Amino acid sequence: NAGVMQNPRHLVRRRGQEARLRCSPMKGHSHVYWYRQLPEEGLKFMVYLQKENIIDESGMPKERFSAEFPKEGPSILRIQQVVRGDSAAYFCASSPASGQPQHFGDGTRLSIL
Amino acid sequence: GDSVTQMEGPVTLSEEAFLTINCTYTATGYPSLFWYVQYPGEGLQLLLKATKADDKGSNKGFEATYRKETTSFHLEKGSVQVSDSAVYFCALYISTGANSKLTFGKGITLSVRP
Repeated sequence: NAGVMQNPRHLVRRRGQEARLRCSPMKGHSHVYWYRQLPEEGLKFMVYLQKENIIDESGMPKERFSAEFPKEGPSILRIQQVVRGDSAAYFCASSPASGQPQHFGDGTRLSIL
Repeated sequence: GDSVTQMEGPVTLSEEAFLTINCTYTATGYPSLFWYVQYPGEGLQLLLKATKADDKGSNKGFEATYRKETTSFHLEKGSVQVSDSAVYFCALYISTGANSKLTFGKGITLSVRP
């Protein structure tokens, strides 16, 4: 019974490149959440998606960041033209429905050179 | 807005010592409260939860009681083990329509010495 799967575990990009982070929710879960963890900080909410819909993107930076959760395949968090300040751990969580406990993946650690 | 405040860390204890990690919250409405644990290099695991006032969540010897009068959800364990060394996050959740996010505290690192 696989949990939330994120890949890659580690991603290194140079400034100006694009970063794509993938998240496959637990089986039976149709709600996906992305969080960012900066060094020495707690997790900050970014975006909440259901299949093919963005429900809440109040935590997403206005530029360069986008997220999708297509009908088929994993959820993708995309960061265009990365900058040093994007270096962080990005965690995905999923739940079977709104209000149910969220189960987290092991995260993607993004490093910007 | 909603917020969670955790005591400053890190915390270092000897094995079998008593643990208390303080957590207080500010919320508009009636949140559910959670403790998550993060082991090195891993994601967050739900440790315990409480969904209404006076509920006590418990798991693996850890306990926390939802105190509405003091807006607190302090984590306790009577006798810590080396394997409890991790980062602990307190979090709250309020579901209001489309708003379905967890709000986390900054986390506190616990190190347990043999």
